[in-house]
Amino acid sequence: DTGVSQDPRHKITKRGQNVTFRCDPISEHNRLYWYRQTLGQGPEFLTYFQNEAQLEKSRLLSDRFSAERPKGSFSTLEIQRTEQGDSAMYLCASSRVLTANYGYTFGSGTRLTVV
Amino acid sequence: AQTVTQSQPEMSVQEAETVTLSCTYDTSENNYYLFWYKQPPSRQMILVIRQEAYKQQNATENRFSVNFQKAAKSFSLKISDSQLGDTAMYFCAFCQSDYKLSFGAGTTVTVRA
Repeated sequence: DTGVSQDPRHKITKRGQNVTFRCDPISEHNRLYWYRQTLGQGPEFLTYFQNEAQLEKSRLLSDRFSAERPKGSFSTLEIQRTEQGDSAMYLCASSRVLTANYGYTFGSGTRLTVV
Repeated sequence: AQTVTQSQPEMSVQEAETVTLSCTYDTSENNYYLFWYKQPPSRQMILVIRQEAYKQQNATENRFSVNFQKAAKSFSLKISDSQLGDTAMYFCAFCQSDYKLSFGAGTTVTVRA
């Protein structure tokens, strides 16, 4: 069990550029969650997957955001035409379906800075 | 929609003393789960303690304990014998049968030597 891995740890990009983040969950976890956390605030839910199916998307996830989990393993979160308001920590977490009520395992996050 | 409120943005405590963090939540459901997560500076979020709403007994994990008041929808965290390593941001979180966590805004705890 190597935990939840996120790559990159930090990303600085110019406004208008596209960025993609990757999350590798714990291998036997079939649920994967994406959250966004701005400075000094709690994480806000963005979307989650059960295996490869995206089951829910938050209203926070505008058309510029897309997430995939093509084979039910790793997931990517892409932000197109980045804006300064996208600057935040993007957190990935995973769990088993049947033990999700025991909490998630979080990754270390990807900190995005849009300049 | 569920909401989680943490009314204390910052708390400071002397090493070895006790600090209590407050959390209230809003739900119309009867069955749900409550959590406290710790996020140290620049490090990943880790689960501190968990409470099932149908259990009346308050959860305890070593120096961490909760006071769960279901009728009042209150879920406070007590850190006893505070240690320097307890310095972190603490988040109260809530989920129901969809197992989707909703978080409060967090409380920054600073333990002073």
